[in-house]
Amino acid sequence: GEDVEQSLFLSVREGDSSVINCTYTDSSSTYLYWYKQEPGAGLQLLTYIFSNMDMKQDQRLTVLLNKKDKHLSLRIADTQTGDSAIYFCAESRNYGQNFVFGPGTRLSVLP
Amino acid sequence: DTEVTQTPKHLVMGMTNKKSLKCEQHMGHRAMYWYKQKAKKPPELMFVYSYEKLSINESVPSRFSPECPNSSLLNLHLHALQPEDSALYLCASSQGRAGGQEAFFGQGTRLTVV
Repeated sequence: GEDVEQSLFLSVREGDSSVINCTYTDSSSTYLYWYKQEPGAGLQLLTYIFSNMDMKQDQRLTVLLNKKDKHLSLRIADTQTGDSAIYFCAESRNYGQNFVFGPGTRLSVLP
Repeated sequence: DTEVTQTPKHLVMGMTNKKSLKCEQHMGHRAMYWYKQKAKKPPELMFVYSYEKLSINESVPSRFSPECPNSSLLNLHLHALQPEDSALYLCASSQGRAGGQEAFFGQGTRLTVV
């Protein structure tokens, strides 16, 4: 994950919004993804965005993409305790032949 | 159905054992992947199969041997593993080059080598 960077930790209060940031380096990446991983579990695809879009909204999730700065963010509105998990940003390379992950951001939601 | 099913969920094996991990998807995806995830690290790519042919091998030791019997199944054969191979092994699938790029992961097999 050395080519994709994320802050490692984020703590928010229940009901607040969470914003998780990611920077990537491969400007040819066609798709960018957010995955959620709970302890001992696999990766759950939350959402993804095509590189020619700058925003995508899906219920409580909003993805913003700044292609010029290679910056991706995930906003979770009304964060709940069930949102506590590790969130991985990933980029698709070689037309989906490889998905390269960031180090993951551990989101802690405080009551 | 957006499910990728992996079996077994947990596996403990000795260094002289031979075992296999299995992965199955019925989404019609033509690309399937094996990733390895160590504790507190992101997943790292091991192998990619595209249209049932091995397209990427990320310099994985030969004690790991992938197999794609058909477009729905992916196996990972394990032989003479080392304790440092203990990790969560994740299978994934996507439409690959042919179409959209949703990529789904299984729940993983947690492997412990003793």
